[in-house]
Amino acid sequence: GESVGLHLPTLSVQEGDNSIINCAYSNSASDYFIWYKQESGKGPQFIIDIRSNMDKRQGQRVTVLLNKTVKHLSLQIAATQPGDSAVYFCAENMRDNYGQNFVFGPGTRLSVLP
Amino acid sequence: DTEVTQTPKHLVMGMTNKKSLKCEQHMGHRAMYWYKQKAKKPPELMFVYSYEKLSINESVPSRFSPECPNSSLLNLHLHALQPEDSALYLCASSQDRGRESFFGPGTRLTVL
Repeated sequence: GESVGLHLPTLSVQEGDNSIINCAYSNSASDYFIWYKQESGKGPQFIIDIRSNMDKRQGQRVTVLLNKTVKHLSLQIAATQPGDSAVYFCAENMRDNYGQNFVFGPGTRLSVLP
Repeated sequence: DTEVTQTPKHLVMGMTNKKSLKCEQHMGHRAMYWYKQKAKKPPELMFVYSYEKLSINESVPSRFSPECPNSSLLNLHLHALQPEDSALYLCASSQDRGRESFFGPGTRLTVL
C-alpha cells in the first residue's frame, strides 16, 4: 500500500512505564486512522481510532495523537502491563476509485519487561 | 454475538489439493474481507465484499477464489496453491466499508 509506518520493529518497556508507539502515514488525504493490537496466534483487535478533525483521543489507558502537519500518529499506553505485549499496527483509511479500505503499517512489537 | 469465527484453525494441503476456508459473523456487518498475513508482516488485503458483492480483488492469483453465499458467510476456495501461499489468512467484517473491522482468529495455512 501507499502508507508506510516507521521501521521500529521492537519496543521494550518496563512494566508500569508508559509506552509510545509511532506510525507515519504518507497520504495527506487520509481522514481516519485505527490502532490494532495483535497478540500471538490471534487476529488484530481494535484498540482506538481517530478522525482527522481531531488531534487527540483517549481511551482506557490508551491515547492516540494525530499530527497532520507531519503526518504522524502515535499510540500511548499508560502503565504498561504484561498483557500489553503484542504487535501494534496503525491502519490508515485510503480512498480510491474502488472505495475506501484500510492499509496497515508495518507494525511494532511491544515487549513488556518484568 | 460480537465475534468473527473462522474454520479451520490450521490447514495443511498439497499443491494439487482443493480446500476451502470459512468465515462467519452475526453482527449484521455488510462488509467482509479476506487478508493474507505472512510472518512478521502486516495483513494485506486480498478481497472485499460489500453488501455481498465483490468490490475489490487486489490482483490476487486465480488460485484463490472468494465466495459470499450470504451476508453472514464468506468463503475462500483454494486450488493448486504454491508453497509461498503459506500464511495466516484472516477474515474480517465491518459495519460498512471505512468502519473499524473485527477480525477472526485466522486460518494458519501450510502448503507442501
